[in-house]
Amino acid sequence: AQTVTQSQPEMSVQEAETVTLSCTYDTSESNYYLFWYKQPPSRQMILVIRQEAYKQQNATENRFSVNFQKAAKSFSLKISDSQLGDTAMYFCAFIGFGNEKLTFGTGTRLTIIP
Amino acid sequence: DTAVSQTPKYLVTQMGNDKSIKCEQNLGHDTMYWYKQDSKKFLKIMFSYNNKELIINETVPNRFSPKSPDKAHLNLHINSLELGDSAVYFCASMGRLSNEQFFGPGTRLTVL
Repeated sequence: AQTVTQSQPEMSVQEAETVTLSCTYDTSESNYYLFWYKQPPSRQMILVIRQEAYKQQNATENRFSVNFQKAAKSFSLKISDSQLGDTAMYFCAFIGFGNEKLTFGTGTRLTIIP
Repeated sequence: DTAVSQTPKYLVTQMGNDKSIKCEQNLGHDTMYWYKQDSKKFLKIMFSYNNKELIINETVPNRFSPKSPDKAHLNLHINSLELGDSAVYFCASMGRLSNEQFFGPGTRLTVL
């Protein structure tokens, strides 16, 4: 069974700073996908970024980028130039290729301080 | 043109009642899900249907019964509601090619 671990229950940073959220996972599969989802106070689950395990290049979406270390089974999210609207719960998630079950981490509550 | 919609968004009811939550997706996806998010924000999968067939059932009490009349709909019926059923329930759907799941807005269920 896959497990996803987010070791930082809460984090806070000043607006415009850079913050990195940690995620590690455990799996015996070689092909899989990793995701970061954002859940603002509105409770809507929003996909922030995705990474295919077979791609060595780290995914980037505007101010959001990941550091994917497949051997270490690590998948951290970096938010650059943080904005007040980035305040949210962030969930790391894993799904095996061809699988239907998405496994979530326990989440990191991120607060951006004005 | 909402991708995944759920109704209602809020549901307050008494213990022992029976209630349903409806979910519809217009993305043409084959796979749909129900998740439960507890008060600590932990997201746990409950059920998954692929083209109207149940493929995942995560040891959910049989008071919970999903129903999929077609592949665009996955409804959740809950019998004999208990206090511990209070949570936010999310519906989601997934495309076959991307393995990306799209979530509905969630239904906050409060059992009194």
